[in-house]
Amino acid sequence: GAVVSQHPSWVICKSGTSVKIECRSLDFQATTMFWYRQFPKQSLMLMATSNEGSKATYEQGVEKDKFLINHASLTLSTLTVTSAHPEDSSFYICSASQTNQETQYFGPGTRLLVL
Amino acid sequence: QKEVEQNSGPLSVPEGAIASLNCTYSDRVSQSFFWYRQYSGKSPELIMSIYSNGDKEDGRFTAQLNKASQYVSLLIRDSQPSDSATYLCAVGSYNTDKLIFGTGTRLQVFP
Repeated sequence: GAVVSQHPSWVICKSGTSVKIECRSLDFQATTMFWYRQFPKQSLMLMATSNEGSKATYEQGVEKDKFLINHASLTLSTLTVTSAHPEDSSFYICSASQTNQETQYFGPGTRLLVL
Repeated sequence: QKEVEQNSGPLSVPEGAIASLNCTYSDRVSQSFFWYRQYSGKSPELIMSIYSNGDKEDGRFTAQLNKASQYVSLLIRDSQPSDSATYLCAVGSYNTDKLIFGTGTRLQVFP
């Protein structure tokens, strides 16, 4: 149980384009989903927390107009990187937790390369 | 600023030995504690959670929590080369949904 999927697993795009990443909880309802970014050999960095049906809460320094998050259902959250630039190239990982539970289950991650 | 501290390592242990990974946290009211394992190039996977003082065992893994000392550890018995990974300590942040992650300890188990 507690399986989280992400799609796509990797994406290469040109600078200036937008990229959408999907995160799905496959066997549980995820009241809360989290989006992280991880650069090579660095630690996880929380970007935002999203609750189903609400606006996402962004961490300090994360541009909400650049990283659009939608959590329209209890099993799906999306992250759209708008007008991507090479410095946005990173490993994007989502996680999900159930109602009133703090345990986070991670998706397999999405590698983004912006040329 | 709530913090979770881990020694970055690498911690090198021979196959079959006990690996001991340590973590300290700054927020005294933290109630939930997690250990995740992250292989290179992969996302974190949950190993164990612990909520009460004392030990919690799951197979070769034992988590130890001491809230008075604000200390949580993970012991891996009979370490295997396949245990070589980065181990992340995470602490539940009071009154929010977030987990505060340490920077991880890299474990190397050599044959």
